Parts: sequence; structure tokens; C-alpha cells
Amino acid sequence: QKEVEQNSGPLSVPEGAIASLNCTYSDRVSQSFFWYRQYSGKSPELIMSIYSNGDKEDGRFTAQLNKASQYVSLLIRDSQPSDSATYLCAVNSQGAQKLVFGQGTRLTINP
Amino acid sequence: DAGVTQSPTHLIKTRGQQVTLRCSPKSGHDTVSWYQQALGQGPQFIFQYYEEEERQRGNFPDRFSGHQFPNYSSELNVNALLLGDSALYLCASSLAATGPQYFGPGTRLTVT
Repeated sequence: QKEVEQNSGPLSVPEGAIASLNCTYSDRVSQSFFWYRQYSGKSPELIMSIYSNGDKEDGRFTAQLNKASQYVSLLIRDSQPSDSATYLCAVNSQGAQKLVFGQGTRLTINP
Repeated sequence: DAGVTQSPTHLIKTRGQQVTLRCSPKSGHDTVSWYQQALGQGPQFIFQYYEEEERQRGNFPDRFSGHQFPNYSSELNVNALLLGDSALYLCASSLAATGPQYFGPGTRLTVT
């Protein structure tokens, strides 16, 4: 079992709709959770961090964390073509310095 | 506010050669982590430096080594390059080991 799993996609969403990206992780002591956006040929850009159960909203982005289910998600409201990218889920475990990444979900927003 | 910088942007090396990649952290950050990203995959952790010491290492051979300088900048060295070392090498900086990590633009290494 991979430490962090994401559906590789591609996920295709019409412009203006809600894009939902999902991630599961295996280490129950994980404490910090991050979503990165990576455009083709570029480096990952941090867009959301979440540390406690529940929802965290930042503009059009909402991160959701459920530690009991070992599940973290990212919702993108009013999706724009500029949101087309690969979204990486990353997890940091207690006492560990490293981020463990999923393989990423490729998202395409169709005009 | 200067972000994370890396040099060089691109590099082409031959098998068996050695390479050094450089990273300057974001202003105010004291911790540098290095990652390797193969095409179509998520970044893989190589190691992290804090207070000029390697604090944690991922599953990479000893051919991969690093250093952190007193000004918090860092180098990644790879010896005896293999074709499989071709990848995007990413440097990320943070304030403390478990703070959010911010990535630099990366160095694209091609080994021929």
C-alpha cells in the first residue's frame, strides 16, 4: 500500500463547476497535510495546508480533513481554465521532516 | 520577498560524472529539503538540512550527499551519475522542520 494515494486522473471538469480532488494516506500519526498545484514544466506551488479535522477555506479552495478515515480532499469552486494543472497531496508525519507525496491528479477545466 | 532560488535551471551530464546543484532558501527560512521528481510522479524526499546538519534522509544511496552553509543555503551533490538520475531536482525551504515547505523552480538534470 502506498503511503499517500491519489487518483492519477485525468479529471475533466467544465468551467464554473466544482472540482473535487481526493487523497488517502496510510500513516495514522500524520499531522500536517498540504495541497500543491504543479503546472506542466514548473515546480509545485503550495496552495493549501490543513492540520485539524474539518474544513479550511481560502478563496475558491476548500481543504477537508478526516483523520479517522485518513482522508483529505480539495474542492475548487467556480473552476477556471487556469486551474488546469496537476494537484499533489502531501503528508507530514509527527516527528518526521519529510513530506510524502501522492503521484498527483491531473485536472483539466474545459471552457 | 525573495522566494526559493535554485541553480542551474538545466544541466546535461554524462554517466559517471558528478554534479552539484545549489539552493537558496526563502528569506527567513532556516530549513532546506531536497526532492527528486521523475516524470509523472510526485516528488521523492532525498534529505533535509537544518543547522548545517542532515536531519533526515530518504531512500537514496550514498551517491547523493548534501551540505548546508551558515547562511542556510544548500547544495546537493550526486556522484557517479546513472541514467536513472535524470529528473527534476527540487529544493524546498521552511521555517523549522515541519513548517510548510515552499519549492524553488527546480533543476532539470539529464544524464546521457
